[in-house]
Amino acid sequence: ELKVEQNPLFLSMQEGKNYTIYCNYSTTSDRLYWYRQDPGKSLESLFVLLSNGAVKQEGRLMASLDTKARLSTLHITAAVHDLSATYFCAVDILRAGQIQGAQKLVFGQGTRLTINP
Amino acid sequence: GAGVSQSPRYKVAKRGQDVALRCDPISGHVSLFWYQQALGQGPEFLTYFQNEAQLDKSGLPSDRFFAERPEGSVSTLKIQRTQQEDSAVYLCASSTWGTDTQYFGPGTRLTVL
Repeated sequence: ELKVEQNPLFLSMQEGKNYTIYCNYSTTSDRLYWYRQDPGKSLESLFVLLSNGAVKQEGRLMASLDTKARLSTLHITAAVHDLSATYFCAVDILRAGQIQGAQKLVFGQGTRLTINP
Repeated sequence: GAGVSQSPRYKVAKRGQDVALRCDPISGHVSLFWYQQALGQGPEFLTYFQNEAQLDKSGLPSDRFFAERPEGSVSTLKIQRTQQEDSAVYLCASSTWGTDTQYFGPGTRLTVL
C-alpha cells in the first residue's frame, strides 16, 4: 500500500525566512504533485514532477524530486504572508497498461504553513 | 475557461437521509475522480470514471456510496442512509488524457447531524 508522509505537519515562520517541506513516499512512483489549499477552498496545482532529479520553480517556491530516495522537497525562499496555506504532496498510482491521466492520487497529510509578518 | 464546478457547496443532512452531490468537470475532460477530505486531512480517493465507465471504485467506503456518470460528463455521488462519519468535504477532479494534472472543484462540505 502506497503511503505518503509529509513533515512538518505544522510550520509557523516569519516573513523573509527560508524553509523546506519534506514529502516521503513508500513505493516506487515517477510522478509527484504539489498542491496548495487555502482555507475553505479547493486544491490548486503548483507543480508536477515527472522524473528523477526534476526541479521546478515558481516565484518563491521550488520543488524537487529524488525518486531513488522516494523524497520530494518544497522549498520556500524569503517567505511572504501570501504563501500562508496548507500544502499537499501527492503521488500517483499508475498501473501497467493504464492510460496517463487515469492515475489516482495518494495524498500526504498536508503541511499547514503560517507566515507571520 | 470554466473550471470544475460542484453543487451544492454546503449540505446538511440528518442521519439516515440520502444525499446527492453533483460534479461538472471541465468540458472535454475524459477522466473524473471523486475524493473525500476529512477535516485536517489530505484528500482520499473514492472512485474514478473514464467517460461513462466507472473503472475504479476501490475507495468507496461502503455500499452506501454510489457514483455515476451516465453520459460521460456530469457525475453524481450519492450517499444513502448518511452517518455522522460521512461528514467531510467531497472533492471532484477532472483531467484529460496525456496530461498529469488533475483540476479540482471547490468541493461540497457535507455535515451529517
